[in-house]
Amino acid sequence: EIVMTQSPLSLPVTPGEPASISCRSSQSLLHSNGYNYLEWYLQKPGQSPQLLIYLGSNRASGVPDRFSGSGSGTDFTLKISRVEAEDVGVYYCMQVLETHALSFGGGTKVEIK
Amino acid sequence: EVQLVESGGGLIQPGGSLRLSCAASGFSVSTNYMTWVRQAPGKGLEWVSIMYSGGTRYYADSMKGRFTISRDNSKNTLYLQMNSLRAEDTAVYYCARLPITVFGVVSLDPWGQGTLVTVSS
Repeated sequence: EIVMTQSPLSLPVTPGEPASISCRSSQSLLHSNGYNYLEWYLQKPGQSPQLLIYLGSNRASGVPDRFSGSGSGTDFTLKISRVEAEDVGVYYCMQVLETHALSFGGGTKVEIK
Repeated sequence: EVQLVESGGGLIQPGGSLRLSCAASGFSVSTNYMTWVRQAPGKGLEWVSIMYSGGTRYYADSMKGRFTISRDNSKNTLYLQMNSLRAEDTAVYYCARLPITVFGVVSLDPWGQGTLVTVSS
């Protein structure tokens, strides 16, 4: 099983300021096709998780361009260029390289200062 | 519109059984990978089970032998049969689709709204 580790656990942010979340996997998520099978999800308060980023750096449909994903292998980062109030919630990374045993990071709670 | 709607949750005693349903619309469950994910109160996301389009099924270790994922193509519905339920199975259970792309399956999208299962005496 691939273990996913996120940091920080909690991230107080100021609107308009940037924010960054780290995700590390216990095994490389780099597929032979050159893509990293790493996703980012946001779970807003009281809602189901929603897809933000797939294949490490591709924004899902409708996701604002202030969100960006980067990294390769075992180290990944989600960045928000300018945080808005609507961005609060819990962010999760997830690996889909091993579909027989999907796994999530523990989550990072983003809240407004 | 692509949509998933879960149902079947509720209060059940330890040792009991429950079957969750996930009705799909806007796509076919038989031609996609489908998965169940759960979230205990105040906790993070935990993967439960997956069913490939070809019918292959996998489970998280703590659910093996107790949970069974299945689908009814005629009803376009995914199921999760849960037996020998424990207090630690208390959670919101979400179903989600993993669309098959040229890169394989690369995301869970969409997710259902979830159904709450409470295991308590």
